[in-house]
Amino acid sequence: KAGVTQTPRYLIKTRGQQVTLSCSPISGHRSVSWYQQTPGQGLQFLFEYFSETQRNKGNFPGRFSGRQFSNSRSEMNVSTLELGDSALYLCASSLDGGISYEQYFGPGTRLTVT
Amino acid sequence: AQSVTQPDIHITVSEGASLELRCNYSYGATPYLFWYVQSPGQGLQLLLKYFSGDTLVQGIKGFEAEFKRSQSSFNLRKPSVHWSDAAEYFCAVGLKAAGNKLTFGGGTRVLVKP
Repeated sequence: KAGVTQTPRYLIKTRGQQVTLSCSPISGHRSVSWYQQTPGQGLQFLFEYFSETQRNKGNFPGRFSGRQFSNSRSEMNVSTLELGDSALYLCASSLDGGISYEQYFGPGTRLTVT
Repeated sequence: AQSVTQPDIHITVSEGASLELRCNYSYGATPYLFWYVQSPGQGLQLLLKYFSGDTLVQGIKGFEAEFKRSQSSFNLRKPSVHWSDAAEYFCAVGLKAAGNKLTFGGGTRVLVKP
């Protein structure tokens, strides 16, 4: 079974631009969560989608948004990029909603904002 | 405030020696507890988890963790470290009411000396 895939793996953008990152969960998984990882703030939860609905959201500004498609693939979008948005963005998928289901992480997308 | 603390930012251990990584949490109720490992350039891999029951939990790669309610701790241990254990380790907590949201500690980077 293929693991969680994230595209692209690396991305360089300029301040003020917007970016879209993609996450394909493990086949059959319906929940996708997104995390931001930075040296200063560590791993922080962005949001979770389950069956195309956002179920939970972290403390990030409205510039960060996401969606989930009917095939469970998810995208996150960051508008009006800031230097501080440079980070590793990880997504995780699980079979179903609920913390008791194991979450499988993808390798991440490394975003650099210049 | 709810928090997860990993007091040690870096730990250096000799190959073959034992390893213990500390994790303390501050939550109103006993949360679901996890340990993840992240190797360079990769996503997170689940080592073990604790939901309830036996307070000594066995995981993959020879790791174990002990939950101590009185100390609000969930420390990770390995009796004999291998060079391949060099990585960053994250303690995480989740709440049943919060879907798949994980709150992570700051991480402990483990270096293994030959």
